[in-house]
Amino acid sequence: QLQLQESGSGLVKPSQTLSLTCAVSGGSISSGGYSWSWIRQPPGKGLEWIGYIYHSGSTYYNPSLKSRVTISVDRSKNQFSLKLSSVTAADTAVYYCARVKTGTFYSNYNYYYYYYMDVWGKGTTVTVSS
Amino acid sequence: QSALTQPASVSGSPGQSITISCTGTSSDVGSYNLVSWYQQHPGKAPKLMIYEGSKRPSGVSNRFSGSKSGNTASLTISGLQAEDEADYYCCSYAGSSTYVVFGGGTKLTVL
Repeated sequence: QLQLQESGSGLVKPSQTLSLTCAVSGGSISSGGYSWSWIRQPPGKGLEWIGYIYHSGSTYYNPSLKSRVTISVDRSKNQFSLKLSSVTAADTAVYYCARVKTGTFYSNYNYYYYYYMDVWGKGTTVTVSS
Repeated sequence: QSALTQPASVSGSPGQSITISCTGTSSDVGSYNLVSWYQQHPGKAPKLMIYEGSKRPSGVSNRFSGSKSGNTASLTISGLQAEDEADYYCCSYAGSSTYVVFGGGTKLTVL
């Protein structure tokens, strides 16, 4: 059964870069046509989509974070990563990685688009503080 | 402010049915984008409950169902059980500039 495990710096100073890794076990990051995503949740608040990397390697980011975010895949290590630069206290959150299934299908004369996250890591807390 | 609008809270008694709404626009929920729903218990990671609008992953109870009408998607939980008490989030693709949006979340209380 596929499992995801986040790891990285739990405490980051303001203006520095947050770096997290999501290790994939129980399956290959390159198989099945899956994509890979990062989501975060500030304390006491809802989920915020950060972005995802398509199985082809293309990346898609939340427009509000786009200038600071980089998501990449290391297929040799079966893991993917998140870098968020110039962090502030507002970036303090639990960060989750997830496997994504996304695509289109044709039905009833229309194309439908689907995006969902079917396997999640347990999350890792990142605090931005000096 | 979230792109998709959900009620902050809903409640119901054991055995009853409840519905959580998720209202968007013609660019996301109202278009040909299929909503997914997630359940999150306190201190835990979210869990996929509904995908492609109305499909249930293996292992998810058939008490959970999804539907859509216009710009609003809905999650219905029938035969409420104490273990259903959690936060629920909807999620939708929102086009080639915004990409993916979540609802603000709904706290379900089982009375």
